[in-house]
Amino acid sequence: DAGVIQSPRHEVTEMGQEVTLRCKPISGHNSLFWYRQTMMRGLELLIYFNNNVPIDDSGMPEDRFSAKMPNASFSTLKIQPSEPRDSAVYFCASSFGQGGNYGYTFGSGTRLTVV
Amino acid sequence: AQSVAQPEDQVNVAEGNPLTVKCTYSVSGNPYLFWYVQYPNRGLQFLLKYITGDNLVKGSYGFEAEFNKSQTSFHLKKPSALVSDSALYFCAVSDYGGSQGNLIFGKGTKLSVKP
Repeated sequence: DAGVIQSPRHEVTEMGQEVTLRCKPISGHNSLFWYRQTMMRGLELLIYFNNNVPIDDSGMPEDRFSAKMPNASFSTLKIQPSEPRDSAVYFCASSFGQGGNYGYTFGSGTRLTVV
Repeated sequence: AQSVAQPEDQVNVAEGNPLTVKCTYSVSGNPYLFWYVQYPNRGLQFLLKYITGDNLVKGSYGFEAEFNKSQTSFHLKKPSALVSDSALYFCAVSDYGGSQGNLIFGKGTKLSVKP
C-alpha cells in the first residue's frame, strides 16, 4: 500500500490566489482528516469526514477554507483567497472505522507558503 | 470530554541514556492510547498503541510505553537513546465508546538526543 498520498508536497503562492491541496486516503479507510501544523499553534484538526460526509468542520478557521470529499478515494482542501497567515504544513490522515480506535495514517504533508 | 497532556515541551537526553516522554490523559470511557513520532519534514508515524491487555506495550524502533490506569498516564520510554531518535513525539487518546471517539493529540514533545 502506498499510504496516504498528498499533493503537492510544496506550494508557494501569492496572497489572494486560490490554493487546492489534494489527498488520496488508504484504500478501505472510511474516515479522513485534515490537519494544519504551525510552530505557534501546533497540530490543529480542521475537518474530518466519515464515509465521504463532513462530520465536524468546527476547526476550519474561516469561510476562505473549504473541503470536499467527492468519493472514497479523494479529498481536497481549498483556500480562497489565500493569506500569508495560512502558511503552514497541511496534513491529511485516514483511518478505518469511525473514531480513533485503529489509529490514523498520515500523509507526508503539503508545505504551503503564501507570500 | 477527552483530553491529553504532554507536560514537557522539550526533553534533552544524552545518547545511550534512558529516555522518558510523559503523557497523561482524561477520558470518560476506556482509553485507546497512541504514540506517534514526527521526523523533520515528514508526517506523523505510528509508534505504538495500547488497547487492552498488558500494561507494557512495545513498539517500533525499540520504544515502549507503560499504561498506568491509576495515574492516567502513558509515558513513552526507551532504555538507550540514539541521536536518530531526535524528533517530535505526539501522544494521542481515543475515548472508545464515547460520543467523540476520534483521536485527540497532545501538543507534542521535542526530543533532543545529544552525542
